[in-house]
Amino acid sequence: EPEVTQTPSHQVTQMGQEVILRCVPISNHLYFYWYRQILGQKVEFLVSFYNNEISEKSEIFDDQFSVERPDGSNFTLKIRSTKLEDSAMYFCASSEGASGRSDTQYFGPGTRLTVL
Amino acid sequence: RKEVEQDPGPFNVPEGATVAFNCTYSNSASQSFFWYRQDCRKEPKLLMSVYSSGNEDGRFTAQLNRASQYISLLIRDSKLSDSATYLCVVNRSPFSGGYNKLIFGAGTRLAVHP
Repeated sequence: EPEVTQTPSHQVTQMGQEVILRCVPISNHLYFYWYRQILGQKVEFLVSFYNNEISEKSEIFDDQFSVERPDGSNFTLKIRSTKLEDSAMYFCASSEGASGRSDTQYFGPGTRLTVL
Repeated sequence: RKEVEQDPGPFNVPEGATVAFNCTYSNSASQSFFWYRQDCRKEPKLLMSVYSSGNEDGRFTAQLNRASQYISLLIRDSKLSDSATYLCVVNRSPFSGGYNKLIFGAGTRLAVHP
């Protein structure tokens, strides 16, 4: 069964450093997303991406964040200058479409980001 | 008011019990509804989509009441492996300013014991 994959599974970084989290969405999916979950809290939407541009972003997704689809398979989330409060689990998701039965989103296993 | 509200639990039930979870959502323009399951420190996994007519998948039954903005999940004959956090999730319509953006409830914890 096709699945979303993410690397690395755990990233430890120093405050102020840049990190890039990588995702490979399901191959025939066209919509891509990043969510985050701070320990003990609910899953929160960060950004959606379609047709090589951001469709929507939350207020969490400030100028320190960016997303990119550098080739036909990868989807990346970059945090330019990490802060302590960026420590969280980051989940990538993808969906085939954006409406009807094709809007179901499938999640990757996540990258645990720890900012020291 | 939170956009998606759930009872946090925990629900502690014996194997074989029937347990029901409820969820309410505040945005009447919400388009799609789901129950996801999340094990500790793992990703949310789709349990089932929720349709207006109600739907069943084995021991799991989901109901949606759009008028009351209420979603439910019923688990029959609970197994030890059902122990997890159950997330009520709502998808905003692209036409209501939320482009296929999932809004998660905080989750209801279920612990099934022998």
